[in-house]
Amino acid sequence: QKEVEQDPGPLSVPEGAIVSLNCTYSNSAFQYFMWYRQYSRKGPELLMYTYSSGNKEDGRFTAQVDKSSKYISLFIRDSQPSDSATYLCAMSEWGKLIFGQGTELSVKP
Amino acid sequence: DGGITQSPKYLFRKEGQNVTLSCEQNLNHDAMYWYRQDPGQGLRLIYYSQIVNDFQKGDIAEGYSVSREKKESFPLTVTSAQKNPTAFYLCASSTDSVNQPQHFGDGTRLSIL
Repeated sequence: QKEVEQDPGPLSVPEGAIVSLNCTYSNSAFQYFMWYRQYSRKGPELLMYTYSSGNKEDGRFTAQVDKSSKYISLFIRDSQPSDSATYLCAMSEWGKLIFGQGTELSVKP
Repeated sequence: DGGITQSPKYLFRKEGQNVTLSCEQNLNHDAMYWYRQDPGQGLRLIYYSQIVNDFQKGDIAEGYSVSREKKESFPLTVTSAQKNPTAFYLCASSTDSVNQPQHFGDGTRLSIL
């Protein structure tokens, strides 16, 4: 079993939809949780960074962490075609990042 | 603009050849990392360095080597011992290696001729 599991998709939604991206993990020692967005042929760009259970909001993006269930989510409200990218979750244990496989998202106009 | 610069964007390697990928950062970050990204496999850590003149192996270090002679530079050499080098290579840095998020360059795509 992988330490971090992420549904690879692809996920296709119409413009304006609410998108939910999810990761589960097995290592209860993970302390910090991140979401990255990666456009084709580009490096990952940090979207959200959290370290506690609960929600963190930044514009149209909300990151949710449930440490008791070992589950994290990223919600995108009012999705736009420019949100089309691969989304990677990552988790940190004393600085070492473990990444999910990435979910490929396509937002159709 | 502060950031991480990787060069070249595309690189081709012949059989038996060593190639070196460049990574430079002007963020004044202490820690630097190299990852390999293959389709459907996420990112895997090759090497990392927390301070100048020191570095540690990651999960897939075999066939790779690094140096950290300057704070801003962390070049990666893909040696001929790496039998499957075709991949997207990403360099990252962070202010320290423990609790801070990592920031990435735009990668180098390495292919075999």
